[in-house]
Amino acid sequence: EVQLLESGGDLVQPGGSLRLSCAASGFSFSSYAMSWVRQAPGKGLEWVSSISGSGSISKNADSVKGRFSISRDNSKNTLSLQMNSLSAGDTAVYYCAASGNYHALTFDYWGQGALVTVSS
Amino acid sequence: DVQMTQSPSSLSASVGDRVTITCRASQSINYHLSWYQQKPGKAPKLLIYAASDLQSGVPSRFSGSKSGTDFTLTIDSLQRDDFATYYCQQSYSDPSFGQGTRVEI
Repeated sequence: EVQLLESGGDLVQPGGSLRLSCAASGFSFSSYAMSWVRQAPGKGLEWVSSISGSGSISKNADSVKGRFSISRDNSKNTLSLQMNSLSAGDTAVYYCAASGNYHALTFDYWGQGALVTVSS
Repeated sequence: DVQMTQSPSSLSASVGDRVTITCRASQSINYHLSWYQQKPGKAPKLLIYAASDLQSGVPSRFSGSKSGTDFTLTIDSLQRDDFATYYCQQSYSDPSFGQGTRVEI
């Protein structure tokens, strides 16, 4: 059974940093591109960042470029998102998601989400 | 960037109804269109990919179609379990989602 389990969500002050993690199991992790998709309270879905199966290439949405960094450790089946310079607009549930093709990202599997709240 | 315009934003329906949700892309995206279902407090679930291919385990009452840059999700004979919010998503370029359609009683 495919499982994606996010952790690291928390309350953080504006300007602060936070690191999210996603532990994967039940599938060939290194064969899948991985992504972060977020959802602000009461709002729709927004793609944040993606990384290829090997970890050699990645891309970010313009809204987080220069502030967020995605990485993965295929030896530990884990995905991470380092978030810096956080602002209230980054408050959201962050989902990790798996895709079979980095160049055509359809999100086959999703985690349950981690809540990030940015507030003073 | 490819913009996805989804309509309607919400609709009211009854069990047994046929429901249609539309998504329009701002440019050609070929067949790179997926549909997701999301229930309150839960993660989205992939229903359809490549515009019309049904994800494994998804009931056959769900179907997708394409006409130019317009894409349609149809739910035949709506079931109680189908009341949820539905999103389209293009995968032709950096992913983007439609605004969502809430299907309610």
